[in-house]
Amino acid sequence: AQTVTQSQPEMSVQEAETVTLSCTYDTSESDYYLFWYKQPPSRQMILVIRQEAYKQQNATENRFSVNFQKAAKSFSLKISDSQLGDAAMYFCALTGNQFYFGTGTSLTVIP
Amino acid sequence: GAVVSQHPSRVICKSGTSVKIECRSLDFQATTMFWYRQFPKQSLMLMATSNEGSKATYEQGVEKDKFLINHASLTLSTLTVTSAHPEDSSFYICSARAGKRQPQHFGDGTRLSIL
Repeated sequence: AQTVTQSQPEMSVQEAETVTLSCTYDTSESDYYLFWYKQPPSRQMILVIRQEAYKQQNATENRFSVNFQKAAKSFSLKISDSQLGDAAMYFCALTGNQFYFGTGTSLTVIP
Repeated sequence: GAVVSQHPSRVICKSGTSVKIECRSLDFQATTMFWYRQFPKQSLMLMATSNEGSKATYEQGVEKDKFLINHASLTLSTLTVTSAHPEDSSFYICSARAGKRQPQHFGDGTRLSIL
């Protein structure tokens, strides 16, 4: 069975600081992809970053980067230079034969 | 690229009414579309998965006669909430993906309120 676990229901970060959101997963598939989605108060789901499981290099998108530890089945998201607009729910997701979401982490950015 | 359009964004109607929500992939062909329901401050709950030209696969506990899904083309899927009741009030969101290993791209969601 595939599972995605986000153990931090809520996180906060000071503006301009760095924050890391945790995600662990379990899958029996060898070919899979991992994603982080952001859902601001508008409730639109926005793709933040993706990681192919076969790639060892960690994905990076501007201020967003991941720490992908395949053996540990860990996929954390690091947000650098946090901005007020980063405040949102963040969902970790795994896709193989199906798509699985974590329960989400609510990020607050403190001015 | 990868835009998904969902309409309407907000529906308010009387109990017993049927409501249709459309989900369109505007600039790519979606082999699979997904329908989710989301309660406040919770994660997305997958309702059903639909592939173009075939019957939707419903998750356990989702009434297929209540939530009718049609995926008539590679760019359009519809969700019809039949004889809606107040307990069906929720935020419904669709997504589409171009292939099995591709990310899902989401519509902006539909807030359904049944009076």
